[in-house]
Amino acid sequence: DQQVKQNSPSLSVQEGRISILNCDYTNSMFDYFLWYKKYPAEGPTFLISISSIKDKNEDGRFTVFLNKSAKHLSLHIVPSQPGDSAVYFCAASPESGTYKYIFGTGTRLKVLA
Amino acid sequence: GAVVSQHPSRVICKSGTSVKIECRSLDFQATTMFWYRQFPKQSLMLMATSNEGSKATYEQGVEKDKFLINHASLTLSTLTVTSAHPEDSSFYICSARPDRDPQYFGPGTRLTVL
Repeated sequence: DQQVKQNSPSLSVQEGRISILNCDYTNSMFDYFLWYKKYPAEGPTFLISISSIKDKNEDGRFTVFLNKSAKHLSLHIVPSQPGDSAVYFCAASPESGTYKYIFGTGTRLKVLA
Repeated sequence: GAVVSQHPSRVICKSGTSVKIECRSLDFQATTMFWYRQFPKQSLMLMATSNEGSKATYEQGVEKDKFLINHASLTLSTLTVTSAHPEDSSFYICSARPDRDPQYFGPGTRLTVL
């Protein structure tokens, strides 16, 4: 039972354009969401997070949007750069205080120069 | 951001041997560390939560006698894969949590069991 889903395994975007990565979750108890970027054979790098009390959080080129009613979050990268090419994972944390993260399956982003 | 290291980065061992992987938080103290494994082109699957000074909490389906976890200090957690077999070959990643989110991940350890 995949509680966090990223339905697009891959995405290609032209350099300078916007990249939109999507993530859906099923558990309404999740209250904290994160996006990580991962290169092959490396650990994930934290990008941005959002609490369930907000619907938007912005950090430079990265913006995360949260739609609680739809149980959906998205990551916008604008403008996209070739160095953004990587696998992006969304993660969700339950309210129980265990601090555990449940990861999505990842979306491979390729930014074309 | 905070730095987490893992050692070794790559290990190849014979079937039946045990392998120890270290995870260190270099510039912060981590009461809680986590161990994940990732199969090719798949998500990160949480194996266990490691709390300093207490027993680890394992996820369903993870054999605690197979994957021994020790969190002896606020900056070090170790994962020992005991009697490793080829099906244990995977990419093992640790993360460490400072006193608040997010978790910071180590670079991972590629384990290959022959």
